[in-house]
Amino acid sequence: EVLLVESGGGLVQPGGSLRLSCAASGFPFSSHWMHWVRQAPGKGLVWVSRINFDGRNIMYADSVKGRFTISRDNAKNTLYLQMSSLRAEDTAVYYCARDRSDSGTYVGFSWGQGTLVTVSS
Amino acid sequence: DVVLTQSPLSLPVTPGEPASISCRSSQSLLESDGNNYLDWYLQKPGQSPQLLIYLGSNRASGVPDRFSGSGSGTDFTLKISRVEAEDVGIYYCMQPIHTPPYTFGQGTKLEIK
Repeated sequence: EVLLVESGGGLVQPGGSLRLSCAASGFPFSSHWMHWVRQAPGKGLVWVSRINFDGRNIMYADSVKGRFTISRDNAKNTLYLQMSSLRAEDTAVYYCARDRSDSGTYVGFSWGQGTLVTVSS
Repeated sequence: DVVLTQSPLSLPVTPGEPASISCRSSQSLLESDGNNYLDWYLQKPGQSPQLLIYLGSNRASGVPDRFSGSGSGTDFTLKISRVEAEDVGIYYCMQPIHTPPYTFGQGTKLEIK
């Protein structure tokens, strides 16, 4: 069973930094693309970033480019999101999601339970 | 960016009755491999999203067969043959092919009458 457990959320002041983690189990983590998707309170789902299996191919939404950094440690089966220069509009639940394997067919996203980030003074 | 437009945004349904949600894309999601790259997700109250349908019409593991996906190109539909109380939540379509960015529809809130 695919299990994704996010952590690291919390209250941070505007301009501050935070690092989210996503611990993965139940599948070959090092073979899969991974994503971060966020959801502001009462709003819809918004894609944030994607990293390929070996970390060499990365994409970001324009709204976070230059402020957020996605990375992964395949030895620890963990995905990260380093967030800096945080703004009030970054307040959201952040989900990690599993995408396809690098050699496999597309079968949709599997999601973690999310971690809440609140940016406020 | 690809824009996904869902309708309706609110869907009150009587238990046992069918329900249908539309998702229209601003660009074709039909790729040269013959697959339509359109997913459906359900976010139940207080939960994270869960996959219902991938590649337009493929039910995810464990999804009841009352859920079905259809469509091709730019027009897609999620149908629930007989709505049950546990189906309440917000339904999202998503496209994973014309990226970045990956984009979601606005969401359709299904509620029980």
